Amino acid sequence: DAGVIQSPRHEVTEMGQEVTLRCKPISGHDYLFWYRQTMMRGLELLIYFNNNVPIDDSGMPEDRFSAKMPNASFSTLKIQPSEPRDSAVYFCASSLGGSGDETQYFGPGTRLLVL
Amino acid sequence: GESVGLHLPTLSVQEGDNSIINCAYSNSASDYFIWYKQESGKGPQFIIDIRSNMDKRQGQRVTVLLNKTVKHLSLQIAATQPGDSAVYFCAENFNDYKLSFGAGTTVTVRA
Repeated sequence: DAGVIQSPRHEVTEMGQEVTLRCKPISGHDYLFWYRQTMMRGLELLIYFNNNVPIDDSGMPEDRFSAKMPNASFSTLKIQPSEPRDSAVYFCASSLGGSGDETQYFGPGTRLLVL
Repeated sequence: GESVGLHLPTLSVQEGDNSIINCAYSNSASDYFIWYKQESGKGPQFIIDIRSNMDKRQGQRVTVLLNKTVKHLSLQIAATQPGDSAVYFCAENFNDYKLSFGAGTTVTVRA
């Protein structure tokens, strides 16, 4: 199994630009999670989906952030417009879900730097 | 508020010795706990998990202990190796499938 795939692995952009992060979950997993990791705040859950439907987006910092999951094998996290404080590592994770299957498997992350 | 926290932010251990990483949680409703390992430049990697109806679970060179009375979780690594150097996170689940992560403990293995 290829595991969770994220792209790009690194992104450098200028303030005000749109940034789109991509994720392909593990095949067959019904849950997809987006996290942000910073030194100050650690790992924070931004949003998660079940069967392509957003379930909880209470962690999304503000309206500049949006996430979609058009099908079971693809999700995007978009930041528009980006700001320097958005600089962080963004992780996507997926899990099988269901009783006894809550384990989340993480992708390698996208390292975002907003100048 | 309730949170998952780690007692020590760093741990230095001699190669070959056993390591113990501790974690305190405060949400009595949590019923599932996971330990993750994160190496530099990589995503968190699942190590081992335990449910609240258990107090001990063993894996390959790792053991997780759960003490619900004092809301304490620990990860024991036997015969620590250089490849065990990483940041270790505990996480708890108490609400649907959301995980709440602790701050992390940095483990450094001395040769």
